[in-house]
Amino acid sequence: QLQLQESGPGLVKPSETLSLICNVSGGSINSRRDYWGWVRQSPGKGLEWIANIHFSGSTSLNPSLQSRVFISVDTSKNQFSLMVTSVTAADTAVYYCARGFAGTAAVGTAYYMDVWGKGTTVIVSS
Amino acid sequence: DIQMTQSPSSLSASVGDRVTVTCRASQSVSRYLNWYQQKPGKAPKLLIYAASSLQSGVPSRFTGSGSGTDFTLIITSLQPEDSATYYCQQTYITQWSFGQGTKVEVK
Repeated sequence: QLQLQESGPGLVKPSETLSLICNVSGGSINSRRDYWGWVRQSPGKGLEWIANIHFSGSTSLNPSLQSRVFISVDTSKNQFSLMVTSVTAADTAVYYCARGFAGTAAVGTAYYMDVWGKGTTVIVSS
Repeated sequence: DIQMTQSPSSLSASVGDRVTVTCRASQSVSRYLNWYQQKPGKAPKLLIYAASSLQSGVPSRFTGSGSGTDFTLIITSLQPEDSATYYCQQTYITQWSFGQGTKVEVK
């Protein structure tokens, strides 16, 4: 059974770089059908999609964050990572990693996030 | 990028009621529209994908419909465990996006 687990520092100082890792177990990150993504949720707010990556290295980034966000994949460790640079209090959130699965539907191939990690809380504070 | 707008922002209904949540896209997303349920302190859970396909294990009282810019999530007979926030998501373009959420309270 596919499982995802986020890990990260918990507390980051303003202007520094936030780094998170998502470990994938119970399946391979080297799946042609899958994308691997990050979603965050600020306190009391809704879900915000951050970025996706394919094991081939192909990426897609949220336009509002793309100048500060980097996503990478390490197939040897079966994990993918997120970095957010120059963080501010607005980056305080629960960060989730998830699989973007390419499923088959009447419309053709449709992507959806079907497996999620439990989330990790990141607080930006001095 | 594509903006997703949900309505209402919140609603309260009784057990057994039929509940409707609407999601509108700023441009056509065809049928590349998913619905998620999130309970407090938990990760989102996929309910519906590709506008109307029910994810495995999700109760059949959840149904989705729509195409283009207008989509609907219906809970045909609301249950106490359906108290949650519901989000739509478009995956039509490579930059995915979520709606702002609809909080459903069960009276």
